[in-house]
Amino acid sequence: QKEVEQNSGPLSVPEGAIASLNCTYSDRGSQSFFWYRQYSGKSPELIMSIYSNGDKEDGRFTAQLNKASQYVSLLIRDSQPSDSATYLCAVNTGNQFYFGTGTSLTVIP
Amino acid sequence: GAVVSQHPSWVICKSGTSVKIECRSLDFQATTMFWYRQFPKQSLMLMATSNEGSKATYEQGVEKDKFLINHASLTLSTLTVTSAHPEDSSFYICSARKEEWVTDTQYFGPGTRLTVL
Repeated sequence: QKEVEQNSGPLSVPEGAIASLNCTYSDRGSQSFFWYRQYSGKSPELIMSIYSNGDKEDGRFTAQLNKASQYVSLLIRDSQPSDSATYLCAVNTGNQFYFGTGTSLTVIP
Repeated sequence: GAVVSQHPSWVICKSGTSVKIECRSLDFQATTMFWYRQFPKQSLMLMATSNEGSKATYEQGVEKDKFLINHASLTLSTLTVTSAHPEDSSFYICSARKEEWVTDTQYFGPGTRLTVL
């Protein structure tokens, strides 16, 4: 079983819609959770981190964490074509970082 | 946030030569840095974990004699691809771990695109 699992997609949403990206993790001792965005041909860029159960909002982005279900998600409101990228979920477990394989998102104008 | 730089951003070399890639944390000290490789349309693949002042830890299947890693200071790690061959052509990305109040966070450099002719 992989430490971090993501649906590889591709996920397509129309411009202005909400994009929902999901991630599950296997280790209940995991302490912190991250979302990175990677544009094609570029390196990953940190967009959100979350440590406590519940929601954390930053602009159009909302990260949601449910430790009981071992589930973390990223919502992108009012999706824009510039949001088209691969989104990587990462988990810090005992100071080890584990990355998912990423979900490809396409926002259709 | 935090800034991590890589140099060079791209390099083209002949088969059999060695190439050195530098990774620097510009505004924080990083005890630990990571080196990744990514082929087109594939996921990040962790190659090794670089710890300041000690030997790097390589992932299974990564040749330590081919990919030499040196983490000589708290702000600099280097990756040397020795005797490079066309199959080593890839996008090499480093990241640095920043110790923050609540948790440690990884910040990525912009990557180095290596083409071996």
